[in-house]
Amino acid sequence: SQTIHQWPATLVQPVGSPLSLECTVEGTSNPNLYWYRQAAGRGLQLLFYSVGIGQISSEVPQNLSASRPQDRQFILSSKKLLLSDSGFYLCAWKVAGGDEDEQFFGPGTRLTVL
Amino acid sequence: GQSLEQPSEVTAVEGAIVQINCTYQTSGFYGLSWYQQHDGGAPTFLSYNALDGLEETGRFSSFLSRSDSYGYLLLQELQMKDSASYFCAVKGGGFKTIFGAGTRLFVKA
Repeated sequence: SQTIHQWPATLVQPVGSPLSLECTVEGTSNPNLYWYRQAAGRGLQLLFYSVGIGQISSEVPQNLSASRPQDRQFILSSKKLLLSDSGFYLCAWKVAGGDEDEQFFGPGTRLTVL
Repeated sequence: GQSLEQPSEVTAVEGAIVQINCTYQTSGFYGLSWYQQHDGGAPTFLSYNALDGLEETGRFSSFLSRSDSYGYLLLQELQMKDSASYFCAVKGGGFKTIFGAGTRLFVKA
């Protein structure tokens, strides 16, 4: 069966510090991968998506970046965090080319920037 | 631009039926999904409609009208555990999905 892992679960970082969040998927090959951010009580904002190794599409211009060094690994990074980067970060995967649009979400990382 | 509209909150009584509406305006449309998210948790997939009509899965049903750019999620025999946020989401052009802001459902005893 497929599983998706995210770490860390929670993170408190000072403004201006770097960030690296990792997401890995098991039990599937060549998935579409997504990074979302969710502010408290709000919807999901798509940040990045990837359809293959090294292929990253950015949806929102900001100080974040993403990379996909391996088929089932997706990394979200920042060189200098802003207060506005606080939120709940969710990684998700989907079967590439599937008829449905079912996305499977990881447990998330709650980031607080102070 | 692209937008999805759904009510911010809905309150219903245990055992009742509730309908959560979603209207969308997107540059491309392939289908409408619904997700459930409990506080502090990750969203979980409920349903997907690509064609007009009603899809039923147990106590939950989802409806789509492509000509009206409208869909809804119907929850029957409400239980306390159904208290959560519900998101509609559009599979648009390319590989991305656009999510609505979510509807928070409160189920009262």
